[in-house]
Amino acid sequence: GENVEQHPSTLSVQEGDSAVIKCTYSDSASNYFPWYKQELGKRPQLIIDIRSNVGEKKDQRIAVTLNKTAKHFSLHITETQPEDSAVYFCAASRVTGRRALTFGSGTRLQVQP
Amino acid sequence: AAGVIQSPRHLIKEKRETATLKCYPIPRHDTVYWYQQGPGQDPQFLISFYEKMQSDKGSIPDRFSAQQFSDYHSELNMSSLELGDSALYFCASSLGVRNQPQHFGDGTRLSIL
Repeated sequence: GENVEQHPSTLSVQEGDSAVIKCTYSDSASNYFPWYKQELGKRPQLIIDIRSNVGEKKDQRIAVTLNKTAKHFSLHITETQPEDSAVYFCAASRVTGRRALTFGSGTRLQVQP
Repeated sequence: AAGVIQSPRHLIKEKRETATLKCYPIPRHDTVYWYQQGPGQDPQFLISFYEKMQSDKGSIPDRFSAQQFSDYHSELNMSSLELGDSALYFCASSLGVRNQPQHFGDGTRLSIL
């Protein structure tokens, strides 16, 4: 089955700096890669996603890049704000067959004011 | 916009008891996923349903069962509860076409005493 590895496990940045979280996946059939933000005790919230036919996608301060050859994808947050502090999960799944998400282990992002 | 509704939000049970968790997907969503999240861990896929049929099975114990009803709501039935079943249980829903995004409910926090 799919295995998703995520780094780093914790990340502390100063307000206004950029944050980068990286994930690798093992299943070459995976072709959908969402990112979720989860605050303590709350539901995972989808913040951005990318499909395998696209190399990069941007939404305001958030961008995701995908390298299918190397089987890795990254989340980039620019101009970080204290409210960006949360746990971020990457995930991978297929379009057909098993569509359930396999999550990475999460990155705890702390934005220092 | 309507979101995924889960009930109850909190549930306290004792060992060997049974529990039923309910999930009402976003209107028009035909696919439901169940995930289990332990403290400090990533969500683990349990089981999913598409058009009222089981579509995929993950790490769901034999003591658990689930189904999707004609109105697309789903129930997760848990029997012979163990201390290790204490976790957050999330339901997510999506349109089961070409990997549309999965949107999560607020979860049910299950505590086993």
